[in-house]
Amino acid sequence: AQSVSQHNHHVILSEAASLELGCNYSYGGTVNLFWYVQYPGQHLQLLLKYFSGDPLVKGIKGFEAEFIKSKFSFNLRKPSVQWSDTAEYFCAVNAGTGRRALTFGSGTRLQVQP
Amino acid sequence: EPEVTQTPSHQVTQMGQEVILRCVPISNHLYFYWYRQILGQKVEFLVSFYNNEISEKSEIFDDQFSVERPDGSNFTLKIRSTKLEDSAMYFCASSERDRGPYGYTFGSGTRLTVV
Repeated sequence: AQSVSQHNHHVILSEAASLELGCNYSYGGTVNLFWYVQYPGQHLQLLLKYFSGDPLVKGIKGFEAEFIKSKFSFNLRKPSVQWSDTAEYFCAVNAGTGRRALTFGSGTRLQVQP
Repeated sequence: EPEVTQTPSHQVTQMGQEVILRCVPISNHLYFYWYRQILGQKVEFLVSFYNNEISEKSEIFDDQFSVERPDGSNFTLKIRSTKLEDSAMYFCASSERDRGPYGYTFGSGTRLTVV
C-alpha cells in the first residue's frame, strides 16, 4: 500500500520568504500527485496536480511543485509567501490504475507572519 | 463555482447511537467519496461510490458503516452504532465520471463528536 510523508509539521515564515514543503511517497508504480490547501474553517481545495508530462507543475496562487521520480518526491514551492497563505497543506497520492482513493500525508501547518 | 454541500456542520451524538451524515455532491458528478480526519491525524479514505454501489473501500469502512444515494441528489454516510473513536471530521467529495481524482471537489466537512 502507498504512503505519503510530509516531514515539516509546522512551518513559520515571514511575508516574502520563500517556501518549500516536502512530500515523499512510497509506491513503485504510476502515481498521480496532488497538493491540497485547507484555509482555517474551510474545505480542502486543490492547489495543483501532476499526472504526466512536465514534472514541474504550476498551480493556483503562485504555487508550483516538482515531481522527482528518482526521489519519490513532490515538493511544493512558492517564491514569496503572503500572510493569506496561512493554512494547512496536504500532499496526496493516487496510485494504481483504476483506483480513485487518495492517500494523504499528515499535513503541514504554515503560519506566515506579517 | 459548484460546491459540495455537507450537513450538519457539527453533530454531537451519544455512544451507541446511529448517525447519518449528509452530502449533496455536484450535480453532474457521478463518483462520490467519504474521507475522515481524526483530530491531529491524516485525512483517511473511507469509501468510493459509483453507479449505486461501492467501488472501493478501506479497512476502516467496516460493517458499522454504510453509504447510500437515496435520491438523485443526496449521498449519505451512516454509522450504525457510534464509538468514541468515530469522533472525527468527515469529508464528502465528488468527481466527474471521466476524471476521477482529476476533478475531486471536497465539501466543508461534518465534525462528528461522540460522547
